[in-house]
Amino acid sequence: NAGVTQTPKFRILKIGQSMTLQCTQDMNHNYMYWYRQDPGMGLKLIYYSVGAGITDKGEVPNGYNVSRSTTEDFPLRLELAAPSQTSVYFCASSPRVGQGHQPQHFGDGTRLSIL
Amino acid sequence: RKEVEQDPGPFNVPEGATVAFNCTYSNSASQSFFWYRQDCRKEPKLLMSVYSSGNEDGRFTAQLNRASQYISLLIRDSKLSDSATYLCVVNNRGGGFKTIFGAGTRLFVKA
Repeated sequence: NAGVTQTPKFRILKIGQSMTLQCTQDMNHNYMYWYRQDPGMGLKLIYYSVGAGITDKGEVPNGYNVSRSTTEDFPLRLELAAPSQTSVYFCASSPRVGQGHQPQHFGDGTRLSIL
Repeated sequence: RKEVEQDPGPFNVPEGATVAFNCTYSNSASQSFFWYRQDCRKEPKLLMSVYSSGNEDGRFTAQLNRASQYISLLIRDSKLSDSATYLCVVNNRGGGFKTIFGAGTRLFVKA
């Protein structure tokens, strides 16, 4: 099992450019998440999805979009990159077991710099 | 008030020491609780879930106090390899799904 795979690992963008951060998981997890982590800070939830075709905003969704067309994939789109979006982005997934919350499995992260 | 609060530390302890971290949460409806470990420039990894009755995994003990709304992590016989940031995580339900990560407590274990 590869677990949660994120690509690319590193990227430098110019202000105003767009890009898509890819995330895929092979554990058949229903729940998927995108977080950002700024230096010395905690993780902040950008968007999450409880299943294919269903997405919802987290704490800091502005400037981002997501889609969930399959169980495996949950790409994060930046349309107009801004310096404030310089951060490390983590994708995570978790199974759904009854009504309980299960721990999340994280990808290695994507380090994004906007210059 | 932050939804999940942790002492940022850093905690500097010698090898073999016992160290404890606390985490408080504001939502009394919080349902599940976890401790994660995050090494420098790495992804968070689950350390242990926290159960109402308290639970232990080797040198690590986690406890939950719902009345006072805090969870704790105790590390006994600290190893150099325990040096990391420890994240408190709380899952809420009601008005939507919500997972809140604390900002983390940094631990340095020295020889």
